[in-house]
Amino acid sequence: QSVLTQPPSASGTPGQRVTISCSGSSSNIGSDYVYWYQQLPGMAPKLLIYSNNQRPSGVPDRFSGSKSGTSASLAISGLRSEDEADYYCAAWDDSLSDVVFGGGTRLTVL
Amino acid sequence: QVQLVESGGGVVQPRRSLRLSCAASGFTFSSYAIHWVRQAPGKGLEWVAVISYDGSNKYYAESVKGRFTISRDNSKNTLFLQMSSLRAEDTAVYYCARDGVGGGYGDCDYWGQGTLVTVSS
Repeated sequence: QSVLTQPPSASGTPGQRVTISCSGSSSNIGSDYVYWYQQLPGMAPKLLIYSNNQRPSGVPDRFSGSKSGTSASLAISGLRSEDEADYYCAAWDDSLSDVVFGGGTRLTVL
Repeated sequence: QVQLVESGGGVVQPRRSLRLSCAASGFTFSSYAIHWVRQAPGKGLEWVAVISYDGSNKYYAESVKGRFTISRDNSKNTLFLQMSSLRAEDTAVYYCARDGVGGGYGDCDYWGQGTLVTVSS
């Protein structure tokens, strides 16, 4: 069981806006930055969002992150077929002194 | 360009040891913390360990504490993971990943391609 909780699946049609939630606690999301990763099939993960809502160079602005209290969200607007992937949230946990990951959300583009 | 290349994976018997390496290039290795993250077949990502830029701080997941040791050789731009007392549940693709400059540990901005470790008799 993961320390951070994500829905196992999400879906949307091309052009739609989809959000993926990530729920944690005061020792991780509530007190530290949230990170989001995209993992395409058969590939290594890729950093999508860091420091709650910052995009690395090269990540389209269709991807956005937000955080409120002990929860965070990843939003993908203008959904495309190439967005079909697994998405993971992560944060440092002050109590565990660990990086904790969510269980992952498989996004399907219908 | 930034590159991380893992090596050392393979098939190993339970209770045996294995050492993974991660060769870094394209950036100042000695300025960055580096993580090991693993992914069991068909499962999600699991963080394993992180080492600070100078090796002075190391943190481990509870599942590997006391069995795995992370280390680095900044003169050779190489990260290591010494794994001992291996178990079937350690079977996974092991990735090394650079910790970025976003603040705190967790923003892994560059990843290697991974190396598969299979623990089986």
